[in-house]
Amino acid sequence: QSALTQPASVSGSPGQSITISCTGTSSDVGSYDYVSWYQQHPGKAPKFMIYDVNNRPSGVSSRFSGSKSGNMASLTISGLQAEDEADYYCTSYTTSSTWVFGGGTKLTVL
Amino acid sequence: EVQLLESGGGLVQPGGSLRLSCAASGFTFSSYAMSWVRQAPGKGLEWVSVISGSGGGTNYADSVKGRFTISRDNSKNTLYLQMNSLRAEDSAIYYCAKDLHNWNSVPDYWGQGTLVTVSS
Repeated sequence: QSALTQPASVSGSPGQSITISCTGTSSDVGSYDYVSWYQQHPGKAPKFMIYDVNNRPSGVSSRFSGSKSGNMASLTISGLQAEDEADYYCTSYTTSSTWVFGGGTKLTVL
Repeated sequence: EVQLLESGGGLVQPGGSLRLSCAASGFTFSSYAMSWVRQAPGKGLEWVSVISGSGGGTNYADSVKGRFTISRDNSKNTLYLQMNSLRAEDSAIYYCAKDLHNWNSVPDYWGQGTLVTVSS
């Protein structure tokens, strides 16, 4: 199972919106609405941000939203803040009943 | 508050074995699937294995199938990962994670991880 494809890095200024893409195949992203997103700050454990494409766990800011079309999912962060600077990972359920992660995207807040 | 505390990591020689443990608290342990996810130094996340709440269902990444065994003791609220025939490429931080549901769901809460280094 190959990793999902994410851009290595994205950047934006405070207050702006950014979108991180996550491209898979018909064996994962394209088959299920089971795409999730995690935020990871350096030296910390991942934090659960989005599940089932566009659902936010309790406590996660509404500035974070998700979407999916075909084999590609996206995470959008609006009103960018300094504390959003982190690595972001997508993950999807697969037709092999396993989970596959993306390679990660480093978000820089300029 | 959900708490997950991993232990058992360390330095092991190639071909060796190690057993990781994860002590869970703050939720009804037997009602949720549990997963292991690893992260090599400076690299991305890699899903390793999952076990259902009852322990009756398990699944593994191809990279560890046949070498790693996931198990749980619901009476002790503890998750395990037995790792055999370890390779250099297994070196990583191993995270224990609680899943969102009892099976086929994504990890929501994560521990702080335990470092495994495979080297001679």
